[in-house]
Amino acid sequence: QSVLTQPPSVSGAPGQTVTISCTGSSSNIGAGYDVHWYRQFPGTAPKLLIYGNTNRPSGVPDRFSGSKSGTSASLAITGLQAEDEADYYCQSYDSSLSGYVFGTGTKVTVL
Amino acid sequence: ELQLVQSGAEVKKPGESLKISCKGSGYSFTSYWIGWVRQMPGKGLEWMGIIYPDHSDTRYSPSFQGQVTISADRSINTAYVQWRSLKASDTAMYYCARLIKPPSPGDHWFDSWGQGTLVTVSS
Repeated sequence: QSVLTQPPSVSGAPGQTVTISCTGSSSNIGAGYDVHWYRQFPGTAPKLLIYGNTNRPSGVPDRFSGSKSGTSASLAITGLQAEDEADYYCQSYDSSLSGYVFGTGTKVTVL
Repeated sequence: ELQLVQSGAEVKKPGESLKISCKGSGYSFTSYWIGWVRQMPGKGLEWMGIIYPDHSDTRYSPSFQGQVTISADRSINTAYVQWRSLKASDTAMYYCARLIKPPSPGDHWFDSWGQGTLVTVSS
């Protein structure tokens, strides 16, 4: 099972800001390992959205931003658009598992 | 253009064997780790393992150790995951992805993904 916990769903009206949390523990996020975020549209492969806690790959709009503090991280989407409806996953490294871990995933709905 | 192209969908019976592939192009395939990720129907992403194609150094998730074998053929820029005896619970979409692995331990991420291979195991 996933060791990074995310809310199952978040929603917002167009133009609003939504935030997705990713809660870990002392063996992953709390140990200082970076958090990365992926977006997955239905029926397609995940795509990198944020790497190294706060960095956006080329082509990702600055409406997407990441942060990390303690044993948690967050992804914020500002100026929510209909095209942002998707599943979002966080990912980090876990020293007790000696491997990579994904969050439980969050479905974003635009009202 | 960097691409990871996976083999097509498979339908198998329980107990059968299977090997699916992931071919990289547009970059130095032997210079990057390749990871495999499982997504069961309607569920989240699970890391299975990684391989460094240059010398086939392989690491497995404890959940998948002994359940699958990850390999690579550097001569044709292709990574594989195989099962000796499939179970119905192996039904899932399987993704390969290129791992970016800076020197800092653990601060690694998957920057490019294959399109996925759907494996269906049913009697």
